Amino acid sequence: QVKLLQSGAALVKPGASVKMSCKASGYTFTDYWVSWVKQSHGKSLEWIGEIYPNSGATNFNEKFKGKATLTVDKSTSTAYMELSRLTSEDSAIYYCTSGFAYWGQGTLVTVSS
Amino acid sequence: DVVLTQTPPTLSATIGQSVSISCRSSQSLLHSNGNTYLHWLLQRPGQSPQLLIYLVSRLESGVPNRFSGSGSGTDFTLKISGVEAEDLGVYYCVQGTHAPWTFGGGTKLELK
Repeated sequence: QVKLLQSGAALVKPGASVKMSCKASGYTFTDYWVSWVKQSHGKSLEWIGEIYPNSGATNFNEKFKGKATLTVDKSTSTAYMELSRLTSEDSAIYYCTSGFAYWGQGTLVTVSS
Repeated sequence: DVVLTQTPPTLSATIGQSVSISCRSSQSLLHSNGNTYLHWLLQRPGQSPQLLIYLVSRLESGVPNRFSGSGSGTDFTLKISGVEAEDLGVYYCVQGTHAPWTFGGGTKLELK
């Protein structure tokens, strides 16, 4: 069955960067866009952007341009998201999803000194 | 950006009761290709969201048929015909017609 397995929780200092992963299995990774979604504590969901693994093409929510970088490794069917210049506003759970039909378990990022 | 407004924000129901959730869009979600990319998600406490309904009214595989979706243009509704305990959580509508994709604010379904 389809699975998206995300990397574990991260505690990072303000101003630093964090890179998280989303490993796909059970389907042809290169055929479907992978989106990343932010959920701040107790709040709704925000779409960050998406990447098409076959070509590396990306689309971003303007709000997250300059904040998020999306990449893939086709050889391992893994998508990555790097967040830079972290502030407390970036503390959240980050999900990867394929077409909103399949979701990873989420990666909790806590930004604290 | 498209704004999705969900009502009510909180819904209290008894087991077996039928309930509806509204999702209104700030602009039509009818795509030029004829599809309407409005979907419904359920997020149970402590879990990732799961897809219930896609393209307004199509039931995702494995989802019980007590869930149904309807609507067009800017007004959409999710109906649960006979709430069960496992249905508790937060429901979100999400649109994929106009970039950036956006989510409604959520409707929390609680037991009365």
